[in-house]
Amino acid sequence: AQKVTQTQTSISVVEKTTVTMDCVYETRDSSYFLFWYKQTASGEIVFLIRQDSYKKENATVGHYSLNFQKPKSSIGLIITATQIEDSAVYFCAMREGYQGGRALIFGTGTTVSVSP
Amino acid sequence: EAAVTQSPRNKVTVTGGNVTLSCRQTNSHNYMYWYRQDTGHGLRLIHYSYGAGNLQIGDVPDGYKATRTTQEDFFLLLELASPSQTSLYFCASSDPSSGNTLYFGEGSRLIVV
Repeated sequence: AQKVTQTQTSISVVEKTTVTMDCVYETRDSSYFLFWYKQTASGEIVFLIRQDSYKKENATVGHYSLNFQKPKSSIGLIITATQIEDSAVYFCAMREGYQGGRALIFGTGTTVSVSP
Repeated sequence: EAAVTQSPRNKVTVTGGNVTLSCRQTNSHNYMYWYRQDTGHGLRLIHYSYGAGNLQIGDVPDGYKATRTTQEDFFLLLELASPSQTSLYFCASSDPSSGNTLYFGEGSRLIVV
């Protein structure tokens, strides 16, 4: 069965620095997709970035980038030049590539606090 | 911009009560989902659907029914609500055309007293 684990419950950083958060996953599929979502203080959940398992290059979108280490089943999220508005809960998620299901399985989330 | 709308946004009901949470998406997506969010558990999948009339069981389905009446509308039904179902519920939609990225609604907070 697939599983997503985020062991860091909370991280505090100072504005304009870099924050890295971890995520490990379990799957028996050779094809899968990894996602990071952000939940703001208002409760809104927004998609940030995605990594397809067959791609070797780490995905990058704006000041978000991924550290995809396939042999370790790890997909870390890196936020550079953090801003106060990056304070949020970040969820890692995975979707297996088999035809029978397309639902995402989520980790428990990491709370990031960015201070001035 | 993707749009998923949930109602009601807040609901209080009594134990044993009947609750229906509604979700409508205007993304023309085939897939729709219901998740619940609880502290320490993240987002857990309750039910999902591939299209009108289709229903798939998620990871935490006990005590919940769901119905997909149209491509746009997906309902979550709690017929005998219990305090353990006090939670924040999210609906989402996705489609292969959008890379199967989930687009979430605003959430519905349910309190069962």
